Amino acid sequence: GAGVSQSPSNKVTEKGKDVELRCDPISGHTALYWYRQSLGQGLEFLIYFQGNSAPDKSGLPSDRFSAERTGESVSTLTIQRTQQEDSAVYLCASSFRGFNEKLFFGSGTQLSVL
Amino acid sequence: ILNVEQSPQSLHVQEGDSTNFTCSFPSSNFYALHWYRWETAKSPEALFVMTLNGDEKKKGRISATLNTKEGYSYLYIKGSQPEDSATYLCASLHTGRRALTFGSGTRLQVQP
Repeated sequence: GAGVSQSPSNKVTEKGKDVELRCDPISGHTALYWYRQSLGQGLEFLIYFQGNSAPDKSGLPSDRFSAERTGESVSTLTIQRTQQEDSAVYLCASSFRGFNEKLFFGSGTQLSVL
Repeated sequence: ILNVEQSPQSLHVQEGDSTNFTCSFPSSNFYALHWYRWETAKSPEALFVMTLNGDEKKKGRISATLNTKEGYSYLYIKGSQPEDSATYLCASLHTGRRALTFGSGTRLQVQP
């Protein structure tokens, strides 16, 4: 597709369940980011993938969060044993080469943990 | 921990008014400053990427300036229109870090 695609757009889950969020970046973009926005907060960095380099996981808030990326394409963010504080909009973004270029964002996944 | 501050938090203006917002960021190890516009129910969209002290960028009625020595950037909107209503985010990048640090945004509402 022409833009960054995220699915699902909305996810409601019960506390303690695992969830999986998906991101399809723009074709040819080597860099992929996950951010989240909790209510009233700014965008919080979670994880960064660049080509075949080891991902920068420094923003992941706990070991319940993990992410994978297949080559330079699809990425999956997994949250295990979800908690209410995980409720947020999860945004994926990609860029052609890396962090010094503008980001192209997806429309996000609204996660609600009941 | 990097701190990027934006002010004001929200702003209501009338159609035709000109307005500006501020983004403050640490001046040490500065690499780049980004501005994004995020309209409700849409994806954030890049407006500008600036790197040099004194940089000025313009896109239609929107412009931005950058002062890297004192750590601030201004975003100006001339003759605001209702379609300018959105949250405006700034984000800074610093050497040694690979991800942008975002501010909390300025929410602009333009009344017709």
